[in-house]
Amino acid sequence: GENVEQHPSTLSVQEGDSAVIKCTYSDSASNYFPWYKQELGKRPQLIIDIRSNVGEKKDQRIAVTLNKTAKHFSLHITETQPEDSAVYFCAARGSGGGADGLTFGKGTHLIIQP
Amino acid sequence: ETGVTQSPTHLIKTRGQQVTLRCSSQSGHNTVSWYQQALGQGPQFIFQYYREEENGRGNFPPRFSGLQFPNYSSELNVNALELDDSALYLCASSSLLAGGTGELFFGEGSRLTVL
Repeated sequence: GENVEQHPSTLSVQEGDSAVIKCTYSDSASNYFPWYKQELGKRPQLIIDIRSNVGEKKDQRIAVTLNKTAKHFSLHITETQPEDSAVYFCAARGSGGGADGLTFGKGTHLIIQP
Repeated sequence: ETGVTQSPTHLIKTRGQQVTLRCSSQSGHNTVSWYQQALGQGPQFIFQYYREEENGRGNFPPRFSGLQFPNYSSELNVNALELDDSALYLCASSSLLAGGTGELFFGEGSRLTVL
């Protein structure tokens, strides 16, 4: 089955700086890669996703890049703000559609230092 | 548009007992999936229901079972509870209809503690 590795486990950056979180996946058939943000005691919320026919996607301060050959994808947050502090999860889903379920990484605790 | 709702929010059980968790999917969604999130870990896929049938399953034993009802709501049942079943159980709904993005919308979860 799919295996998703996520790094780093904890990331501390100064407010206003950029943050980058990286993930690798094992199943070359995976074709959907979402990123979720989870605040303490809250539900995971989708912040951005990318499909395998696209190499990059951007939404305001957030961007995701995908390298299918290397089987890795990354989340980039620019101009970080205190409200960006949370745990971020990457995930991958196989070509079987929703029936494959999402395989999540173990998460990155992003800390924005004032 | 109503979101995904889950009940109960918290519950405590003892080893060997059985538990039922409930989920109402977001309006317009026809697919429900369940995830287990242990403390400090990412969610793990348990199974997915579409048209009242299980159509995908992760690496969980048969004592984890579910139902989906005609109104697309769902239940997760866990028999013979073990200490390691202590976790946050997340329900997510999505739409597999044409034009649907397949994006998952999560509920707030049911936190189960097994003593």
